[in-house]
Amino acid sequence: QVQLVQSGAEVKRPGASVKVSCKASGYTFTDYYIHWVRQAPGQGLEWMGWINPNSGGRNYAQKFQGRVTMTRDRSISTTYLELSRLRSDDTAVYYCARDRGSYYDFWSGSSWFDAWGQGTLVTVSS
Amino acid sequence: DIQMTQSPSSLSASVGDRVTITCRASQSISTYLNWYQQKEGKAPKLLIYAASSLQSGVPSRFSGSGSGTDFTLTISSLQPEDFATYYCQQSYSTPIFTFGPGTKVDIK
Repeated sequence: QVQLVQSGAEVKRPGASVKVSCKASGYTFTDYYIHWVRQAPGQGLEWMGWINPNSGGRNYAQKFQGRVTMTRDRSISTTYLELSRLRSDDTAVYYCARDRGSYYDFWSGSSWFDAWGQGTLVTVSS
Repeated sequence: DIQMTQSPSSLSASVGDRVTITCRASQSISTYLNWYQQKEGKAPKLLIYAASSLQSGVPSRFSGSGSGTDFTLTISSLQPEDFATYYCQQSYSTPIFTFGPGTKVDIK
């Protein structure tokens, strides 16, 4: 079965960076885009960006441009989210999610998130 | 950017009630609209994709409708396990995606 397993909780100081991993299993890793979504305490879902595990192509929400980097390691079916210059309002649960679509489906808008990781809590505190 | 709104932001309902949640897009998104359910402390779960298609394994009491700018998620007979927060999400503006603010359904 499709599984996305994320790394464990992190506590960081303001100004530091954090790197969260998301390991995929149960499907061909390079066939499906991966999105990252975060949720601050008591708040809604916020889309951060995606990465194409095959090509490494990526796109980030404008809000995070310059602070976020998404990468992947095809050899271990893992994608990574790195967020730098952390602030207290970056405290959130970070989720990875698989996009169900093929390359064509994705770019035509026929796109939805059909599998999610369990979430990783990142706490930013001095 | 396409903005998504949901109404109501929260509602109280009883088991067996019919529940309707509305999602509105700031411009037409055809049927590129998905719905997710999130229970407290858990990851979101896909319920409905492409406005009206039921994800495999999701109970048939859930249904979605709409196109253009106005969409509806309906729970025909609310069950105890349905108390959760529901989010809409648009994929029309790929490569950019947007979630609605959520609707919390709790027990009356």
